[in-house]
Amino acid sequence: EAEVAQSPRYKITEKSQAVAFWCDPISGHATLYWYRQILGQGPELLVQFQDESVVDDSQLPKDRFSAERLKGVDSTLKIQPAELGDSAMYLCASSEDIDTDTQYFGPGTRLTVL
Amino acid sequence: ELKVEQNPLFLSMQEGKNYTIYCNYSTTSDRLYWYRQDPGKSLESLFVLLSNGAVKQEGRLMASLDTKARLSTLHITAAVHDLSATYFCAVDKGSQGNLIFGKGTKLSVKP
Repeated sequence: EAEVAQSPRYKITEKSQAVAFWCDPISGHATLYWYRQILGQGPELLVQFQDESVVDDSQLPKDRFSAERLKGVDSTLKIQPAELGDSAMYLCASSEDIDTDTQYFGPGTRLTVL
Repeated sequence: ELKVEQNPLFLSMQEGKNYTIYCNYSTTSDRLYWYRQDPGKSLESLFVLLSNGAVKQEGRLMASLDTKARLSTLHITAAVHDLSATYFCAVDKGSQGNLIFGKGTKLSVKP
């Protein structure tokens, strides 16, 4: 069964350092999402791509976060510089198309900022 | 602004008992999702509800949607320990996949 792949699974970094997360969606899925989930809360959408274009990045802290999906397949989310409050699980999800029912989530990257 | 509220946030129940988790949302939406998350794991899709009156069942879980009341329920029948997890409902903000999640209901099923 096809799955969303993410790496790394765990990342520990010091504040002010740069970190990057990678996501490979299910093959053929046009829509890709990055979510942040703080412990004890539900996921919050950071950015949504349709192919290589950003559909919604209204919740992305653009002073330190950036995301790209250059060829419309895999995607990278970067944080520079990392802050203590960025410690969270970063989840990637994909769906067949922008108006398709189900989003399939990857295993996530757990980020700890010291 | 769309808000999604779940209750209860914590639920401890005994095996064999029935219970219902409620999900209320504040503005009109035609899509509601239920996900399950085990500790330290990602989210697993349980149900997608797309219309008023929709009811879906899988094993001991049954989900329903009342769009007029802006309410979805997740009913658990004869709970077993394997159902222990956190359950999230999510509402599509604008039918383009921008999901707003509730805070989750942490379910613990005890023998």
